[in-house]
Amino acid sequence: EIVLTQSPATLSLSLGERATLSCRASQSVTSYLAWYQHIPGQAPRLLIHHAFTRATGVPARFSGSRSGSDFTLTISSLEPEDFAVYYCQYRTNWPPIFTFGPGTTVDIK
Amino acid sequence: EMQLVESGGGLVQPGGSLRLSCAASGFTVSGNHMAWVRQAPGKGLEWVSVIYAGEDTYHADSVKGRFTISRHNVNNTLHLQMNSLRPEDTAVYYCARVLQSGDAFDVWGQGTLVSVSS
Repeated sequence: EIVLTQSPATLSLSLGERATLSCRASQSVTSYLAWYQHIPGQAPRLLIHHAFTRATGVPARFSGSRSGSDFTLTISSLEPEDFAVYYCQYRTNWPPIFTFGPGTTVDIK
Repeated sequence: EMQLVESGGGLVQPGGSLRLSCAASGFTVSGNHMAWVRQAPGKGLEWVSVIYAGEDTYHADSVKGRFTISRHNVNNTLHLQMNSLRPEDTAVYYCARVLQSGDAFDVWGQGTLVSVSS
């Protein structure tokens, strides 16, 4: 069973600052990792899939990267609408099991 | 515009049943992989079930044997039949479309609240 660990749990930043969110898998994984933004009361939104690919309509300030079992979501310059909870998610090959990380809250400093 | 609208949530007693529905527009559920994801109060997202375009279905261990995912192609609707409900099933349930690559959820509904309590 793959476990995803996200850090930090909370990130307090100001508008315009750079946000770096981490997601670590408990074992060797493929690049089937995705990132979501979730504002409470709204539907979650897919930001990144396949570790690096921005979803349709996602601004270029969001980017994904990978180093081994460590994945990173970077928001280059925070906008007001970016303060939210961010989840990483991985799908195992077979059987298909979708696992979410516990989330990182990005709030206003 | 692609849209998903869930319905069918509500208050149910432990051991009871509930059937959630998710109406799709802008695309067909028959030609896509579809899934249910839930969020318990104060908790993170948890995948529940997936149905692939080829009709294969899979469920999380926490709901296996109790929940069944299905779709009604004529009505363009996804369903989740939930039996033997437990208090820990209390959550907002989202339906979502799965990317054709099968690895992530790209279209989400607004969710429907299921509360299991006596």
